[in-house]
Amino acid sequence: SAVISQKPSRDICQRGTSLTIQCQVDSQVTMMFWYRQQPGQSLTLIATANQGSEATYESGFVIDKFPISRPNLTFSTLTVSNMSPEDSSIYLCSGLRVANTEAFFGQGTRLTVV
Amino acid sequence: GQQVMQIPQYQHVQEGEDFTTYCNSSTTLSNIQWYKQRPGGHPVFLIQLVKSGEVKKQKRLTFQFGEAKKNSSLHITATQTTDVGTYFCAGQTGGFKTIFGAGTRLFVKA
Repeated sequence: SAVISQKPSRDICQRGTSLTIQCQVDSQVTMMFWYRQQPGQSLTLIATANQGSEATYESGFVIDKFPISRPNLTFSTLTVSNMSPEDSSIYLCSGLRVANTEAFFGQGTRLTVV
Repeated sequence: GQQVMQIPQYQHVQEGEDFTTYCNSSTTLSNIQWYKQRPGGHPVFLIQLVKSGEVKKQKRLTFQFGEAKKNSSLHITATQTTDVGTYFCAGQTGGFKTIFGAGTRLFVKA
């Protein structure tokens, strides 16, 4: 597996502002994904970050709220826009080298919106 | 859409007791994966099962994949305090997208 460095590890933000989370992989990966996890809950897939094109969003998530970039095969960002307290959660990026193989994760970003 | 259900949500055991978590998919899977997430940590890959009826063991952990490739289980024999965490199953249906079950949070009392 590869190593993903995710930052920031945590942040406290004012409502109405935006936060960009970055993930850097130590080697090229085919696919990258962004998940949200409420404490004690499961991982909910936000979107697939597509290299060089627009991300593919899951039902309930939209680009205006969660813009995603993936300029190359080792880097991706997720922005949480116009934040409200309901956006408080843990955000995780993950990568896959090949279809039907293990996913590996960044360390997560614990976001609190006040 | 594809759903992966997992039970129980929580399990409290005494150290030394066994533990089992069960996973069921609404669709046939290409493979099933299991992850462990320690409190405050991120999910870490444990194992992948691909074949119908497959059984794999990792020390005290036994993983099974159902004949129909729609269900799976993880069994821990003689739990230890180091087993504490949340165990997630995750299914893939032939592509890259990984859908996670709700997870089973294991508490082990010494």
